[in-house]
Amino acid sequence: RKEVEQDPGPFNVPEGATVAFNCTYSNSASQSFFWYRQDCRKEPKLLMSVYSSGNEDGRFTAQLNRASQYISLLIRDSKLSDSATYLCVVNGDTGGFKTIFGAGTRLFVKA
Amino acid sequence: SQTIHQWPATLVQPVGSPLSLECTVEGTSNPNLYWYRQAAGRGLQLLFYSVGIGQISSEVPQNLSASRPQDRQFILSSKKLLLSDSGFYLCAWTDRGWLYGYTFGSGTRLTVV
Repeated sequence: RKEVEQDPGPFNVPEGATVAFNCTYSNSASQSFFWYRQDCRKEPKLLMSVYSSGNEDGRFTAQLNRASQYISLLIRDSKLSDSATYLCVVNGDTGGFKTIFGAGTRLFVKA
Repeated sequence: SQTIHQWPATLVQPVGSPLSLECTVEGTSNPNLYWYRQAAGRGLQLLFYSVGIGQISSEVPQNLSASRPQDRQFILSSKKLLLSDSGFYLCAWTDRGWLYGYTFGSGTRLTVV
């Protein structure tokens, strides 16, 4: 089993749709969790951290389920500009030295 | 504000040639520094990290090496490139507390021919 697994997609959705991505991780001792966004041939950029209580930033909502060892990202009212690859990131310690990146989920939002 | 610079953006090198990629961070001190590689369609692989000048930890055995000659400078090198070294190389930094996750440089796309 991979340490961090994501559905590679691609997800093809129309503008305005709601789309959800899931990510599972194998290390139950993982400390912190993030979603990153990576545009084609660009560097990843932090989208949001994922907290146990869940967190929301505009159209984006992230959830963490420690018992089932997965995190999720929900995007509401999809925009064309949301088209990108979304990376699930799991940090296994407090120093950032045991960080595992998922391979990413590709999202295409169509007009 | 903090910025991270990485160069060059694109590089095409023949097999067996040397490599030197440089990364510098501005606007912070004592950062943790990282080199990652991303192969096409795959996740990021941590190559090296550093918590201070002269301190380098290697995660993956290979023909690459890293150095940190100054607090905010991180260099990735190779004496002889292999075809398998092709990929997207990313430098990143975090603060000591790892509060805000990684900030990546713009990356170097290396093609070994």
